[in-house]
Formats: sequence, C-alpha cells, structure tokens
Amino acid sequence: SQQGEEDPQALSIQEGENATMNCSYKTSINNLQWYRQNSGRGLVHLILIRSNEREKHSGRLRVTLDTSKKSSSLLITASRAADTASYFCATAPRGSARQLTFGSGTQLTVLP
Amino acid sequence: NAGVTQTPKFQVLKTGQSMTLQCAQDMNHEYMSWYRQDPGMGLRLIHYSVGAGITDQGEVPNGYNVSRSTTEDFPLRLLSAAPSQTSVYFCASSGGGSYYEQYFGPGTRLTVT
Repeated sequence: SQQGEEDPQALSIQEGENATMNCSYKTSINNLQWYRQNSGRGLVHLILIRSNEREKHSGRLRVTLDTSKKSSSLLITASRAADTASYFCATAPRGSARQLTFGSGTQLTVLP
Repeated sequence: NAGVTQTPKFQVLKTGQSMTLQCAQDMNHEYMSWYRQDPGMGLRLIHYSVGAGITDQGEVPNGYNVSRSTTEDFPLRLLSAAPSQTSVYFCASSGGGSYYEQYFGPGTRLTVT
C-alpha cells in the first residue's frame, strides 16, 4: 500500500513562480525524503528530513514536516523549466530508516 | 564512480520465461534494494538487503528472488514471468550510519507478453 500520498497529482506553473507539493502519510516515521524523477530516468534524491526536524533548506528547496498532522510539504522557489519532473515523497518507518514507501507523485510542469 | 548500474535497459519476455536483472554499485554501500514502478504510481519495494548474505522481503516479493553474495551486486531473479510483472525495475543503494538517502540506477523496462 502507498504510505505517502502527494497532492496535487499534477501542477503546472510559469517559470519564476514557486511550486508547492504536499505529502501525507499514515504511520510514525524515522525520516521523510523527497525525490525527483525526470521522464524515463531513475530517481534522484533531493532532501531528507528527520522526524525530529521541522524544516530544512537546500538551495531553492524548502521542506517542512508536521508529525502531528503526518504531513510534509516541498517548496521549490523561482522555478525553472529544468524543474519539470515528477516529485515523490518517501517515508521510512521507525526502526527501518532505509525501507522506503513511496507516494504516487506530483507531476510538475514549469512553462517557459 | 559509476554509481548504481543496471542491465539490461530493456527486456521482453514471454510468459513463463525466467531471467535475472543485474544491479551493481561501486560506492561500498551496505544497503541495496529493488523497486518496481507501474504507470502513474510510485515505487514499491520488492526485496532489500542490509549486507552481503542478508536479504529480506519488501511489500511485493511474490514471483521474485534475490541473493547478495557480494557487497557490490544484488541481482533480481524472475522465476516464471507473468504479464503482471510488466513494469520498470529500479535498483537502489544506501550507505551506512545515518546516511539514509538512496541512490538509484537508471532502471530496466521489462515487458512480459
């Protein structure tokens, strides 16, 4: 079963705008990770946030985690056409920090 | 470093045939895993290994076998292919300690007719 569910399923924005994707999950986690997948390619790790953290930044990426609501959000600021991809959240349960369960993803399209 | 490599890139099998998907990593990672990705869905964990000689089942293990004789290699065997196993297969590896991020291979696109 899918632990994480992303929202929205698809998002289309103009270059330069910010993109926000949300992820909800069901059980207690050790960490939550976000990955990007370009069409026809493998997944690339973007950022990891641990269960005791509330916010992390990496370049144009900002991730928040609310364990009381079992939800996370990924913000991409000043988006570029090259950010067009599918974005997946993945959760690792307590006691198994690498055993990831993926959501179904958000397809982001950034229009030039 | 080549990272995580997978072969073949594409494969077509007939129902009932068997084959092995190859995965290798050159990062000396202890943890390796296999996922499948079906259209419009996220990845689902098939099998994983926490080190040479140790494997365990993930969410969807039926119809697949794995072994881990070396740190570098983690092959996935399809015992008797079925159309339901048509999918894209990804191998991933992860380092030890508190480095939980996973590095993915480019994938193998498998079609079973």
